[in-house]
Amino acid sequence: GIQVEQSPPDLILQEGANSTLRCNFSDSVNNLQWFHQNPWGQLINLFYIPSGTKQNGRLSATTVATERYSLLYISSSQTTDSGVYFCAVESYDYKLSFGAGTTVTVRA
Amino acid sequence: DAGVIQSPRHEVTEMGQEVTLRCKPISGHDYLFWYRQTMMRGLELLIYFNNNVPIDDSGMPEDRFSAKMPNASFSTLKIQPSEPRDSAVYFCASSPQLGQGGYTFGSGTRLTVV
Repeated sequence: GIQVEQSPPDLILQEGANSTLRCNFSDSVNNLQWFHQNPWGQLINLFYIPSGTKQNGRLSATTVATERYSLLYISSSQTTDSGVYFCAVESYDYKLSFGAGTTVTVRA
Repeated sequence: DAGVIQSPRHEVTEMGQEVTLRCKPISGHDYLFWYRQTMMRGLELLIYFNNNVPIDDSGMPEDRFSAKMPNASFSTLKIQPSEPRDSAVYFCASSPQLGQGGYTFGSGTRLTVV
């Protein structure tokens, strides 16, 4: 199956800081999604982004499909941004493969 | 819409017992997925349904696991007999279509087998 690697595995931020999370994948994919798992375990769909750039408030994402990577940007981080961010790629048989996640801790 | 609803939120059972996890997808979503999350293996797809029909169950770990979707608004994941290594968080998700994002996950069921 497709290998999905996320970096860094852990990230500690001071409130107000900016950060970039990276997702590399090993093969061509049908699409790519970013999820946030909050400290209560709920998985929230952030972006559906097979290519290009999207923005949603303080979050934005860019996928360069030809180079097999995606980036998630968090600007002016807040404590509510804490949690685990997952990249998930959908192969052409429509199966989602998740990366191991980046654990983000935002300190006040 | 209330989102994807899973029950129970937590389940503690003894090894060898039967466990049934339940899921109500979002109305109108034709696809339903069961995932398992563990520290060792992360999030894994177990099985998915399209219009109540199982399409791919290659992720189901073994014959002790079974899933059904008797109608568009209800699905179950059953483990019989349960083992300690089945302890995990089980998520149900639904989507209106494939290949377009739109996944919505339930809150998960945390299963502990002692």
